[in-house]
Amino acid sequence: QKEVEQNSGPLSVPEGAIASLNCTYSDRGSQSFFWYRQYSGKSPELIMSIYSNGDKEDGRFTAQLNKASQYVSLLIRDSQPSDSATYLCAVNIQYNFNKFYFGSGTKLNVKP
Amino acid sequence: EAGVAQSPRYKIIEKRQSVAFWCNPISGHATLYWYQQILGQGPKLLIQFQNNGVVDDSQLPKDRFSAERLKGVDSTLKIQPAKLEDSAVYLCASSLGPEGPLSYEQYFGPGTRLTVT
Repeated sequence: QKEVEQNSGPLSVPEGAIASLNCTYSDRGSQSFFWYRQYSGKSPELIMSIYSNGDKEDGRFTAQLNKASQYVSLLIRDSQPSDSATYLCAVNIQYNFNKFYFGSGTKLNVKP
Repeated sequence: EAGVAQSPRYKIIEKRQSVAFWCNPISGHATLYWYQQILGQGPKLLIQFQNNGVVDDSQLPKDRFSAERLKGVDSTLKIQPAKLEDSAVYLCASSLGPEGPLSYEQYFGPGTRLTVT
């Protein structure tokens, strides 16, 4: 079982719609959760971090964490073509030497 | 604030040759990470440094890969000898570390694309 699982996609949404990206993790000891955006040929860019259950909003982005169900999601409101990229979910397991695990990413296509 | 610097950006070598990558983290960041990203996959952590000490190198193929972080700032990652399956992008990242809410937010450099022929 992989530590972090993501649907590889592609997820296609029309411009202006809400894009919903999901991630599940296996280790209940995971404490920190991150979403990165990666454009083709570029390095990952941090979008959001979330540490406690509930929602965290930053502009058009909302991260949601549910530790009981072991999932974290990212909502992108008013999706733009410039949001088309691969979105990587990452978790940090602090009790286990601060190990970091990335998912394989979900490719998002926003159609004009 | 300057970001994470890496060099070279691209490298092509033949199998069994050696190669080295260099990384300079964001000023003041205590933690430095090296990742390997194969096309279509997420980054895989190779080694994590806290200042100049190794925190985790459990996924580093130690028979051919080595890394060091002298003086707790710059770091080099070396592959010797290279294999075809080492073709990937090698990413360096840094974070504030070691404690606090922002400690684990990682910022990535542009990466080095390695092709082994």
